[in-house]
Amino acid sequence: KNEVEQSPQNLTAQEGEFITINCSYSVGISALHWLQQHPGGGIVSLFMLSSGKKKHGRLIATINIQEKHSSLHITASHPRDSAVYICAVKNNNAGNMLTFGGGTRLMVKP
Amino acid sequence: KAGVTQTPRYLIKTRGQQVTLSCSPISGHRSVSWYQQTPGQGLQFLFEYFSETQRNKGNFPGRFSGRQFSNSRSEMNVSTLELGDSALYLCASSLASSGIGELFFGEGSRLTVL
Repeated sequence: KNEVEQSPQNLTAQEGEFITINCSYSVGISALHWLQQHPGGGIVSLFMLSSGKKKHGRLIATINIQEKHSSLHITASHPRDSAVYICAVKNNNAGNMLTFGGGTRLMVKP
Repeated sequence: KAGVTQTPRYLIKTRGQQVTLSCSPISGHRSVSWYQQTPGQGLQFLFEYFSETQRNKGNFPGRFSGRQFSNSRSEMNVSTLELGDSALYLCASSLASSGIGELFFGEGSRLTVL
């Protein structure tokens, strides 16, 4: 069983829909990242969470440390949100060593 | 402020050769970490350097090595290349190695081994 599990693996939505991507992990962590990767490879860090909730524009990320679960929400989705979203955790006492989920490939259709 | 710069962006090598990839972090960032991304294994941690010292290493063979210079620039080297080393190699920089700093990624170096 992978230490970091994401669901769904693939997601197709219509423009304007509310989107949720889930991440569950099995190890103790110091922080959790949500990353976005567009075709071509570059990765952008969307959020870094160690507790609670963060919001940036139409993106919201939450984490429940007790349940070892995090969600990434996209409100009013847009075709430019189409990308792969990756959850990554920093294990306790392991610096910037990240363990990654398998990614969620999101396509938002106009 | 310049972002994380990785060179070269693309390269093609043959089996048995070696390759060196470079990563220049954001100015002032002292932590550089390296990751490998393949279609089969996804993203995997290679190693992390902080102040010229390797802090953590992922589960990769000894053919994979790296170093960090006093200006925080980092290089990684893969010797005796295998077909399975074909991948996107990404580096990320951070202010600290405490595990709580934001990471900034480069565009990656795409290696093809023939």
